[in-house]
Formats: sequence, C-alpha cells, structure tokens
Amino acid sequence: AQTVTQSQPEMSVQEAETVTLSCTYDTSESDYYLFWYKQPPSRQMILVIRQEAYKQQNATENRFSVNFQKAAKSFSLKISDSQLGDAAMYFCAYRSYNNNDMRFGAGTRLTVKP
Amino acid sequence: DVKVTQSSRYLVKRTGEKVFLECVQDMDHENMFWYRQDPGLGLRLIYFSYDVKMKEKGDIPEGYSVSREKKERFSLILESASTNQTSMYLCASSRLAVRTNTQYFGPGTRLTVL
Repeated sequence: AQTVTQSQPEMSVQEAETVTLSCTYDTSESDYYLFWYKQPPSRQMILVIRQEAYKQQNATENRFSVNFQKAAKSFSLKISDSQLGDAAMYFCAYRSYNNNDMRFGAGTRLTVKP
Repeated sequence: DVKVTQSSRYLVKRTGEKVFLECVQDMDHENMFWYRQDPGLGLRLIYFSYDVKMKEKGDIPEGYSVSREKKERFSLILESASTNQTSMYLCASSRLAVRTNTQYFGPGTRLTVL
C-alpha cells in the first residue's frame, strides 16, 4: 500500500517570507496524482494544488508551487510571500491513477508570524 | 461552488449510543467518502461509496457502517459508540471520472464519546 510521509509536524515562517513543506511517498506505481490540501483552523479543508505524475512540469497556483521529484518520490510545497491567512494544517495526499482511494500524510501545521 | 455539508460541527454522545453523522453534497458527485482525522495520523478512510446503495470498506471500517440511499447523501453510523471513536470526522465527495476527481471536503464533525 502507498504511504505518505510528512516529516515536519510544525513549521513557522515570517510574514512575506518563503517556506517549503516536505512530503515523500512510497509507491510502485508509475501513474498517480499528488495533492496538497490546506485546513485552516476550524474551517473546511480545501485543495491548494495538484500534480499529475506523468507531467514533468511542476504545478503552480499563484504563490503556491511544488517541487515534484518523481525519482526521489518527493513532492514539496513552496509558499512564497507568506500571508497570515496561510496559517493552517497542510496535508500531502497521494491517489492512484485508476482508483478513488487517497492516502494522506500526517500533516504539517504552519504558523505565520507577523 | 461545490458544497459539502455535515449535519453537526460538534457532537457529544455516550458510550453505547447509536450515532448518525450525515453528509450532503450539492454537486451531483458520484463518489462520497468518510474519513477520520486524528492528530499525528492524518486522514484515514473509513468507507466510500461510488453510487447509491454501493459501498466499499476503507482502511478502518471496524465499528462503523454507512448508508447511501440517495446520491447526494452519505451517512456514517456508529452502531455502539465507544470512547476510541472520539475524533474529527470528515466527509468528502468527488466525480466518478478518476482523471478529474478532486475531492471536496465538508467542514467536519468533532465527535466526543464519553
């Protein structure tokens, strides 16, 4: 079974600075999807960014970008120009190409300091 | 906007009670999921359903059952609640087509079993 590891339980960043959250995964599959979800305090979990494994280009959504290293099975999230509203729990997730089952990491709690 | 709603944000029940957690989505999604979220463990899949009256066990189905009588509604049932079922429960929905099926989450129900 696939596993997803987030080795940083907590991270902090100064407002306007850049922070990178780490995620590694274990799989024998060649086609799959990777996701970063954000869960603000007491609010709904929302999708931040997704990456298809067959695409070599790293996904980008405004201030959020990923560094996808397929051979190393690494999928880190970079947040640029951090804002107070970025403070949340961030979950990395893996989904196989042909099924609906998602595997989540344990999460990284990000604090943004003013 | 996709909307996934859950019947309660907070719920307190006693050991042995039968508990119903309700989830409703308004986007005509085929897939619906129930997860349990615990600190340090991320999200773990309890059950999912890809059609009315269809269900599949996830990683931790023991002690839980589900019901999907209508496409938009997916219920999680704790037949006899126990203290180790105290947790945050998240519902999600997605389209059936695996290539496009990002999961959308509800706000969660924090269940305490005394």
